[in-house]
Amino acid sequence: GAVVSQHPSRVICKSGTSVKIECRSLDFQATTMFWYRQFPKQSLMLMATSNEGSKATYEQGVEKDKFLINHASLTLSTLTVTSAHPEDSSFYICSAPLGGGGGYTFGSGTRLTVV
Amino acid sequence: AQSVTQLGSHVSVSEGALVLLRCNYSSSVPPYLFWYVQYPNQGLQLLLKYTSAATLVKGINGFEAEFKKSETSFHLTKPSAHMSDAAEYFCAVSLNSGNTPLVFGKGTRLSVIA
Repeated sequence: GAVVSQHPSRVICKSGTSVKIECRSLDFQATTMFWYRQFPKQSLMLMATSNEGSKATYEQGVEKDKFLINHASLTLSTLTVTSAHPEDSSFYICSAPLGGGGGYTFGSGTRLTVV
Repeated sequence: AQSVTQLGSHVSVSEGALVLLRCNYSSSVPPYLFWYVQYPNQGLQLLLKYTSAATLVKGINGFEAEFKKSETSFHLTKPSAHMSDAAEYFCAVSLNSGNTPLVFGKGTRLSVIA
């Protein structure tokens, strides 16, 4: 089936540094990627939608300069958390639509801890 | 806009007992509905989905859900709980099963007692 590979699975970084999270579609082309954030014991909240070859669309309240999304190819979408702070610590998950009623496939998530 | 409401943030059942996780939706158009399971520090695994075909949907691991338009509900059930079912469960809705993002409920944590 369609698989999205997400890396890293967990990362610890110092406050003020940047972290890049990658999501690769392994056996299909993902023209769209949804990025979600999940705080502990909470639901998944949509952060942004990336489309290959165009600018990402951010949800209200999400800082586009802080969460840089790039979708440069049909198989790779990246989320870079710039100048990370402890409040950015969260679980980040990407998801690609499969189209044709196939639903969605999810990456395995990235646990980001900013110290 | 569409939304889902999951009643009960935590449900506890005995092993072998019926599992019932409730989900009600709100949508301006016929919805596509999904149930996902999440284990700690992992991504989401699809249990089942409703895409306007049969109203009773059977999923993996013995789970099923029934779409009831009159009640705007899509409750998840399993006849007999297993210890391995302990996890977080999310109900989600989308407009067209693919091109628009999923909107998730707040989740229900299922505990299974031996």
